[in-house]
Amino acid sequence: AQSVTQLDSQVPVFEEAPVELRCNYSSSVSVYLFWYVQYPNQGLQLLLKYLSGSTLVKGINGFEAEFNKSQTSFHLRKPSVHISDTAEYFCAVSGGSNYKLTFGKGTLLTVNP
Amino acid sequence: DAMVIQNPRYQVTQFGKPVTLSCSQTLNHNVMYWYQQKSSQAPKLLFHYYDKDFNNEADTPDNFQSRRPNTSFCFLDIRSPGLGDAAMYLCATSRDWQGGSQPQHFGDGTRLSIL
Repeated sequence: AQSVTQLDSQVPVFEEAPVELRCNYSSSVSVYLFWYVQYPNQGLQLLLKYLSGSTLVKGINGFEAEFNKSQTSFHLRKPSVHISDTAEYFCAVSGGSNYKLTFGKGTLLTVNP
Repeated sequence: DAMVIQNPRYQVTQFGKPVTLSCSQTLNHNVMYWYQQKSSQAPKLLFHYYDKDFNNEADTPDNFQSRRPNTSFCFLDIRSPGLGDAAMYLCATSRDWQGGSQPQHFGDGTRLSIL
C-alpha cells in the first residue's frame, strides 16, 4: 500500500521569503509523484510531476521539487513567494499496481505581506 | 482551451432530495474520476470510469451513483442526500492508466450544500 505524509499542515511565510513544503511517501514499488495546488473554491491544478530521470523537477509558477529516493521524499520549494501563492498544496503518489492517486492531507501555505 | 467543466459551481438541495452534478471534458481523455472533498481535507475518490467501465471504491456509499453516457460527459447522482454529503465534488480526467503516470486534470468543482 502507498501512503503520503505532508509534515506541515500549515506554513506561514512572509512575501519574498523562500519556502519548502515537505512530503514523504511510502511505497514498495517505483512511484510517480505529483504536487497539486488548490486555490480557494477551485479545483486542483498540477504544479509539477516526477515520473523518471532528473531528480530535480521544475514546475509552474516558479516552483520546483526534488525527488530523493533514499529519503523517500519529494519536497516542494520556491525561492521567493508572492501573496498569490497563498493556497492549499497537496502531494500525491501513484504507481505500480495502484494507478490511482494517493493524496497527502495538504499543507496550507499562507503568504503574508 | 481544452478543459474539464463542472456545472453548477454551487448547488443547494434539500435533505433527501435527489441531486445530479455534471462534468464535461474537451480533453478526449479515457478516464474520468469523481472525488468528494470536505473542508480542509484531501480529495477522496468515489469512483472512476475507464471508458465505459465503471469502478466503484469499496467505501463509497450506495447513495452515490454515476453515469457516463459518452466520452465527454459524466454525472454524479446522489439519491438521498444527507447532511454529511455537504462537500465540494471534484471531477477529474486522465488520458489513460499507464501505471499511474498520467496526471489528472481537475475541474473547478461543485460545492454542494444540504438544507
